[in-house]
Amino acid sequence: DAGVIQSPRHEVTEMGQEVTLRCKPISGHNSLFWYRQTMMRGLELLIYFNNNVPIDDSGMPEDRFSAKMPNASFSTLKIQPSEPRDSAVYFCASSVGTSEQYFGPGTRLTVT
Amino acid sequence: GIQVEQSPPDLILQEGANSTLRCNFSDSVNNLQWFHQNPWGQLINLFYIPSGTKQNGRLSATTVATERYSLLYISSSQTTDSGVYFCAVEGTTDSWGKFQFGAGTQVVVTP
Repeated sequence: DAGVIQSPRHEVTEMGQEVTLRCKPISGHNSLFWYRQTMMRGLELLIYFNNNVPIDDSGMPEDRFSAKMPNASFSTLKIQPSEPRDSAVYFCASSVGTSEQYFGPGTRLTVT
Repeated sequence: GIQVEQSPPDLILQEGANSTLRCNFSDSVNNLQWFHQNPWGQLINLFYIPSGTKQNGRLSATTVATERYSLLYISSSQTTDSGVYFCAVEGTTDSWGKFQFGAGTQVVVTP
């Protein structure tokens, strides 16, 4: 079975550019989570969806961040405009309800 | 929100040694998971253990929900056990889906 798929794996962009991160959850999972990992703040939950509906976005740092889940097999996290402090590894995870979460390989974002 | 504390923050082991990692949490939990983040950054599921005891090979875990802690045991450690071990919990109070991660325990296993 394919695990959680994320793309791209690495992204380097300049400050001010729009960045879109993509995630495909495990088939049959109905919850999807976006996390950010930095040395300073560790792993932070940004937003999560259940049955394609955003449940809690209180972890989204600013209005520059937005996330969508148009269907059960695809989600995006967008940063517009990007800033150097957004540099981090962004993980997507999926689960059935809030049971065991499975993480994707992550996207390493560098904003110069 | 729920607070999660992991100890020790760092651990250096010689290959073959045993160790215990601890995760304390400040409130009742619905769910608790242990993860291993390998040196390549991948987060690997170890245990989904909101209560009770589980074993998987050289690893085992115990969660005592009433006393608000969980333990991860590594026996006969190997160099491939190196990495960061995270505990993540979902609280019961207005916390559906809100998983809080601890800061992790950095483990280095030397040959």
